[in-house]
Amino acid sequence: EAQVTQNPRYLITVTGKKLTVTCSQNMNHEYMSWYRQDPGLGLRQIYYSMNVEVTDKGDVPEGYKVSRKEKRNFPLILESPSPNQTSLYFCASSFSGNGYTFGSGTRLTVV
Amino acid sequence: GQSLEQPSEVTAVEGAIVQINCTYQTSGFYGLSWYQQHDGGAPTFLSYNALDGLEETGRFSSFLSRSDSYGYLLLQELQMKDSASYFCAVRLDTGRRALTFGSGTRLQVQP
Repeated sequence: EAQVTQNPRYLITVTGKKLTVTCSQNMNHEYMSWYRQDPGLGLRQIYYSMNVEVTDKGDVPEGYKVSRKEKRNFPLILESPSPNQTSLYFCASSFSGNGYTFGSGTRLTVV
Repeated sequence: GQSLEQPSEVTAVEGAIVQINCTYQTSGFYGLSWYQQHDGGAPTFLSYNALDGLEETGRFSSFLSRSDSYGYLLLQELQMKDSASYFCAVRLDTGRRALTFGSGTRLQVQP
């Protein structure tokens, strides 16, 4: 089944403790993105990748890192999480960049 | 900066037709897409318009006018399962081909 898989689905962590949210797609898509979703703010892009080793900042990249060492994987790294990074995170991938397939989401709480 | 405007809420009855509008102001434009998101779920791609005109996919249609920086999503023969949030998103014609989302329209379908 064609899908984008994110892990974990839920995560509660403490301020400053480094964490990684994994994202993997099995559709051989070149385009991958990370978004965060907060009430009333819609989906805001964090980082974007057009292909292996090609990444670019989105609208809200501060406090996040990404890497694209393989085509299928696009992990999101929070080196020192803070409470304002409490949010619902989505990874998405696309073949052409026109329509994206989203993962099921990761609900992160930073206390 | 980029901005997309869409109504925050729309209510309609089962079997009716509803139109959700989206106006955008962006530095560069490549295409307009629409996504559906049920509560607690991931966004699902509905349609993409790069050229002016109407695109029809079953009960859903999407329209774009590039000269007016305007598009809409038309939902026909509304069903209860169509109750969800609908997001328009602009694909920019910058090198990174990013997606910028509107803040979403919550559609309530009543019996």
